[in-house]
Amino acid sequence: DVKVTQSSRYLVKRTGEKVFLECVQDMDHENMFWYRQDPGLGLRLIYFSYDVKMKEKGDIPEGYSVSREKKERFSLILESASTNQTSMYLCASSSTRGYTFGSGTRLTVV
Amino acid sequence: ILNVEQSPQSLHVQEGDSTNFTCSFPSSNFYALHWYRWETAKSPEALFVMTLNGDEKKKGRISATLNTKEGYSYLYIKGSQPEDSATYLCAFGEGYGGATNKLIFGTGTLLAVQP
Repeated sequence: DVKVTQSSRYLVKRTGEKVFLECVQDMDHENMFWYRQDPGLGLRLIYFSYDVKMKEKGDIPEGYSVSREKKERFSLILESASTNQTSMYLCASSSTRGYTFGSGTRLTVV
Repeated sequence: ILNVEQSPQSLHVQEGDSTNFTCSFPSSNFYALHWYRWETAKSPEALFVMTLNGDEKKKGRISATLNTKEGYSYLYIKGSQPEDSATYLCAFGEGYGGATNKLIFGTGTLLAVQP
């Protein structure tokens, strides 16, 4: 069964901490994505990557960075966590059959 | 930022009712239109990927149509069951010659089916 795995389901971090959200896919997909989901706003694209070491900003990249050193792993980094980054974070990879999503990480910044 | 709109925002129906939702998207630079089903505490799951004007797709009791010229897609559920309760997301893929498959999602339609 093909999978996108996110390392943590729930995470609580303090304001100012550096936070790493990890995502691994086993489908050899080139494209990977990070979204955040907030009530009433839908899924908003933070960053995406179409190849190893390649990255592009999505619609809301401020306060985030990403890393793609290997094809299967796409990491989202919150350089200095703030309370407005409390959200559900979803990772996905894509093929012509659509996106495959991870189970999400609910991050709370206190 | 491109706008993808879904209506209604939420829907409550009785078991056995048939229902449909709408997704509106930009009619220019169309590449693909996706539908996803997102159950509570689970990951969004791909239902359909449609790329051609006039496309109709079907999976069991769920079907979808696509009109790229006017920028809308309909999702139909025939004979709704409680297990159909979920948020249904549509997503627009803009074509600009690239191959990134980047999607813009709507805010979803929340369907609740009462037994």
